[in-house]
Amino acid sequence: EAQVTQNPRYLITVTGKKLTVTCSQNMNHEYMSWYRQDPGLGLRQIYYSMNVEVTDKGDVPEGYKVSRKEKRNFPLILESPSPNQTSLYFCASSSHEGASGANVLTFGAGSRLTVL
Amino acid sequence: GQNIDQPTEMTATEGAIVQINCTYQTSGFYGLSWYQQHDGGAPTFLSYNALDGLEETGRFSSFLSRSDSYGYLLLQELQMKDSASYLCAVRDLEGGKLIFGQGTELSVKP
Repeated sequence: EAQVTQNPRYLITVTGKKLTVTCSQNMNHEYMSWYRQDPGLGLRQIYYSMNVEVTDKGDVPEGYKVSRKEKRNFPLILESPSPNQTSLYFCASSSHEGASGANVLTFGAGSRLTVL
Repeated sequence: GQNIDQPTEMTATEGAIVQINCTYQTSGFYGLSWYQQHDGGAPTFLSYNALDGLEETGRFSSFLSRSDSYGYLLLQELQMKDSASYLCAVRDLEGGKLIFGQGTELSVKP
């Protein structure tokens, strides 16, 4: 089954404790992206990657890091989490193929992170 | 600045038709897309427009007018399961940036 898999789905952690949210897709997609979703603010893009070894900042990159060493994986790293990073996180991927490909995102199920 | 506007909430009756509007102000434009999101779940792709006009996919249709920086999602023959948040998204000048509106919470009543 074609899918984007995120882990963990739920996590409660404390301020300053480094954590990584993994994201993996099995569709051979070139493009991957991370979003956070907060009430009243909608989906905001954190980082994206157009292909392996290529990453760029989205609108809210502060406090986050990413890497794209393999096509299928795009982990999100919080080096020193703070309470304002409590949010629902989504990873998404898409293919560049065709006129619409880059606009058709497949999302993971989401990771609900709480930082105390 | 970049901005996407859509109504916060809408209510409609089962079996009816509803139109969700979206206006955008972005530095570039490479397509407008629509996603459906049920409470706490993952957004799922519904429709996409790169050129002006209407795209139809079953009960859902999407329209785009690039000159007006405006699009809409039309949902016909509404069903209770259509109660969800509908997200408008625009691909910006920087090809990797897909900017989302805050979403329209649609409630379908019997």
